[in-house]
Order: sequence, then C-alpha cells, then structure tokens
Amino acid sequence: GAVVSQHPSRVICKSGTSVKIECRSLDFQATTMFWYRQFPKQSLMLMATSNEGSKATYEQGVEKDKFLINHASLTLSTLTVTSAHPEDSSFYICSARGTSGGSYNEQFFGPGTRLTVL
Amino acid sequence: AQRVTQPEKLLSVFKGAPVELKCNYSYSGSPELFWYVQYSRQRLQLLLRHISRESIKGFTADLNKGETSFHLKKPFAQEEDSAMYYCALFWSGAQKLVFGQGTRLTINP
Repeated sequence: GAVVSQHPSRVICKSGTSVKIECRSLDFQATTMFWYRQFPKQSLMLMATSNEGSKATYEQGVEKDKFLINHASLTLSTLTVTSAHPEDSSFYICSARGTSGGSYNEQFFGPGTRLTVL
Repeated sequence: AQRVTQPEKLLSVFKGAPVELKCNYSYSGSPELFWYVQYSRQRLQLLLRHISRESIKGFTADLNKGETSFHLKKPFAQEEDSAMYYCALFWSGAQKLVFGQGTRLTINP
C-alpha cells in the first residue's frame, strides 16, 4: 500500500512556542490530507481536511488560528500548533488520500506525532 | 446523521475462540464501510472494506443493510490479533471517514 510519513515522531516544547508537524505521501500524490487528534484510549477526532492548493476545512470546535494547516504540494501537508499550551498535548495523526493506490476513498495513515507541551 | 457505533470498548477472548466485533452505522445513503486496525505502537491500517468482500488475516465482515451493521468476524482468534479495531464509514457528502469509538481486542493465550 501507499506510505505516509510524519515528522517528527515525537516533540516536546515549552508552553507558548509553536510546533510544526510535517506529513508526506511518499509514493503517491495526495489530493486530500486529513489531520486527526487522538487522545489516550480514544478514537480519532478529525480536526481538518485540506486539499492541495486550497484552504483547509476545519471541523466544528477546532480553532483554525491555533492549528494552521498548509497543503502546498501534492506530497506535503503541515500542521502548525501555534502558541502551544499543555492542553494541546496529544497524538496527532495525518492521513492522505489520492487517486492512486486502489480505491479512491481509501485513506493511508501516518505513524503519528506525539506532542508534549510543558 | 452519520454515525458509527462500536458498542464494545473492550473485548477479550481466548486463543482459538471465535471473535466478533460489532459495528452499527447510521447513514442515509449507500454506505461504504471499512475496518481499520491499529496494532500496538503501529499506525492505523486498513484491514478490509465491504466493497471488496475480501478476507484479510482470516477476518471477514458482511454488510447487513437491514440491520445497518458491519460486524467483523474471525472463526479462530490468534494472539497476534490483539489490537485496536475501528469501524469507519465513508461519508460521501463530506468526503471524509466517520470513525467509531474503537474496540480493544485482547486475545488471551
């Protein structure tokens, strides 16, 4: 199957700083990328959907000024957590969907990024 | 409203026993359903999708539109099946997956 990578896998930062997480589709072009947040022992919560070259669509309750998403190319999307606070500590997972790799509706998931805000 | 319900947060069975993970959905259109699995410290990966009617790692799932269910089954559980399982529905109107809450399956030796 198609591969999605995330970098970094783990990040620790101080409260008030910004953190950028990268998501890359390694062997396919991702027309759509998704960003999820997963709390311990809970399901994935969709934060936003981004299509290459256009603004991200945020889910209700997700602050777009706090979670900046950029999908500038067909293989790269970034999530920037601005002015991070301890409550932003979580596991962030990206997912990518393209037009190759089988079913159009299949999404491929990255390994996740563990963010800890001190 | 689009919704996926996995009524069991935890499920524990013995090795060799049959296992069934329940999934019910609510969707007004023609559903496209998936089962994803997340093994310990690994990424979420697709296990199977209803449209392909395939069997992966011995698991099968049949879409029952009358009962709006898509239960995942395996006749003989193996220890390596221990993982988190998510049922998901593709919401075509919003072009996104709707996930259930997940079921943590533990296979006891």
